[in-house]
This record gives sequence, C-alpha cells and structure tokens, in this order.
Amino acid sequence: LAKTTQPISMDSYEGQEVNITCSHNNIATNDYITWYQQFPSQGPRFIIQGYKTKVTNEVASLFIPADRKSSTLSLPRVSLSDTAVYYCLVGDHLSVSSGNTGKLIFGQGTTLQVKP
Amino acid sequence: DAGVIQSPRHEVTEMGQEVTLRCKPISGHDYLFWYRQTMMRGLELLIYFNNNVPIDDSGMPEDRFSAKMPNASFSTLKIQPSEPRDSAVYFCASSFRAANTGELFFGEGSRLTVL
Repeated sequence: LAKTTQPISMDSYEGQEVNITCSHNNIATNDYITWYQQFPSQGPRFIIQGYKTKVTNEVASLFIPADRKSSTLSLPRVSLSDTAVYYCLVGDHLSVSSGNTGKLIFGQGTTLQVKP
Repeated sequence: DAGVIQSPRHEVTEMGQEVTLRCKPISGHDYLFWYRQTMMRGLELLIYFNNNVPIDDSGMPEDRFSAKMPNASFSTLKIQPSEPRDSAVYFCASSFRAANTGELFFGEGSRLTVL
C-alpha cells in the first residue's frame, strides 16, 4: 500500500483558503486518493476523492498532478468549524473480487487550526 | 438510514475482564471495518470483512482480540482478557464498495478504558 506524507499541523485564519498537500510517491495505477475529516470525539468523515486532475464538490477541491505522486486538498474560505484533523488516504477502492485488497490505511493526518 | 451504529459508546472495565464491542453497519453495505484510535498510534485498521467474511485481520494486535460478523447487519469485536494498553476509541465503518467510491461511513466510536 502506498504510504502518504502530510504536514503534522497547519494554522489558518477565518476566511482564508487552506491548501493541504499530501505526498504519495509510490501510488499504484489502481489507487484512488481520498481525504477524510475528523472532529474530536467523532469518526472520520469522507470529504472528497479523485484519481487524476481536479475534482470539486460543495466542500472542497482536490488537485492531482499528472504524475499523481502528490495531491492537494483545497478548502475555500475556512471557518472556525473547519478546525479538525484531515487525512489523506491512497488505496485501491475496487472490490475485492477484482483482485484488489479493498484496504484503507489512515496516516497521521494534518491538524488544521482555524483562528478567528 | 441511521448510519453505522456502535455500542456501547463508553465502557470502563478492569484489567482481565472481557469486553465486547458491537456494530451495526448501514444496510446494504458489503464491507465492514474495525479501526482503533489512540493518540500515540493514530487510526489503526484492525480487521475488515467483505460479505461477512474476514478478508484481512493482520492488524489485530494479538490473540486476545477477535472479531466476528455472523450476518450482514451485525459485527462484534471482543477483547479477552482486556489490558490497560487496549484503552482506545474503537471505530466501526462500513462501505458499499461496488460503487467504487471507496467512501467509508464511520460510527461514533466506542471509547474503552481499561483500568
């Protein structure tokens, strides 16, 4: 499974755009890139997933360069409620019957602190 | 749907006692995962099931841990005997992998304290 590296922590202010970059040099062809958000005392929550180029939803954008060895989660205009731990995961999400592991491993995550 | 349901939410027990954590996945989901979270080790994958069959239990710390999924709507994680180092938050998650989205839906967790 591809290992991911992301900053341990980041600080930001309300209203700013936050970009969190994740490195995954050993990403495999079948691997997707997924980001989760976790608030204290809660389970992680899916934010966004992508395979290549750019993906955008109502919460965030995910930028993936052509070599796919890194990805950047972009949170537009953060608020205090965006203070959380953000995890980057890389793994194959195809069904086990397709010969993939179906396994998802969480790294250390990035603790984002949004200040007023 | 009510989401992934875990019980108990909190448990305090003494070393040596048996602990059973329970999980009800989202109806229709064919994958079920058990994770453990501590400050020191972060989120660790313990075991996961596909269609009620254990696929990978390489994350289970030792023989004191066991997990079962007798049917599609119920799974248990048992620790016997429990030790203080087992204190952690245990999360259950489920997913519908056939959709190829890989999105895991987590429960609220079971916080275990072993004295």
